[in-house]
Amino acid sequence: AQTVTQSQPEMSVQEAETVTLSCTYDTSENNYYLFWYKQPPSRQMILVIRQEAYKQQNATENRFSVNFQKAAKSFSLKISDSQLGDTAMYFCAFMMEGGSEKLVFGKGTKLTVNP
Amino acid sequence: GAVVSQHPSWVICKSGTSVKIECRSLDFQATTMFWYRQFPKQSLMLMATSNEGSKATYEQGVEKDKFLINHASLTLSTLTVTSAHPEDSSFYICSAAKGDYSYEQYFGPGTRLTVT
Repeated sequence: AQTVTQSQPEMSVQEAETVTLSCTYDTSENNYYLFWYKQPPSRQMILVIRQEAYKQQNATENRFSVNFQKAAKSFSLKISDSQLGDTAMYFCAFMMEGGSEKLVFGKGTKLTVNP
Repeated sequence: GAVVSQHPSWVICKSGTSVKIECRSLDFQATTMFWYRQFPKQSLMLMATSNEGSKATYEQGVEKDKFLINHASLTLSTLTVTSAHPEDSSFYICSAAKGDYSYEQYFGPGTRLTVT
């Protein structure tokens, strides 16, 4: 079974600075997807970024980028120019390739952006 | 867009009663929907996978007779918590897979269930 580990229960960063959230996973599969989801206080889950395992290039979405190390099974999220609205729980998630596959979530990292 | 709604957003019910939660994909058809449960300050735990027109697939440890799931159309899945007890109090979240690629999943805003 796949597992996702987020070793940082809580982190904080000053507004405008950069922060990196860690995620490692365990799988014997070669084809899969990795995700970072954001859950703000409203509790609405929002997709931040997605990475396909077959792509060597790291995914980026504006201020959000990932460092995907397939061999090391590591998938960290870097948030640049942190904003107060980035304060949220961040969940790393894994999904095997194929139709109707389920998401396996890590335990989450609570990120606080301080003014 | 890809919008998923849930109704109700918050429900309080008495112990022993049943409560139904609806999950709707508003602007797309969803062959597959997923139901999650989230306890305070914890992660999302998948309860079951709901496929339109067929029986739901429950995760290990989830009581299928207690958490009834019906996916009657491509835009609606329902979760019914039967004979609810205080320990069923939780935040229930659904997600819907858009198109043939379930990596495109969109989440509803969640339903807070409180059983008194």
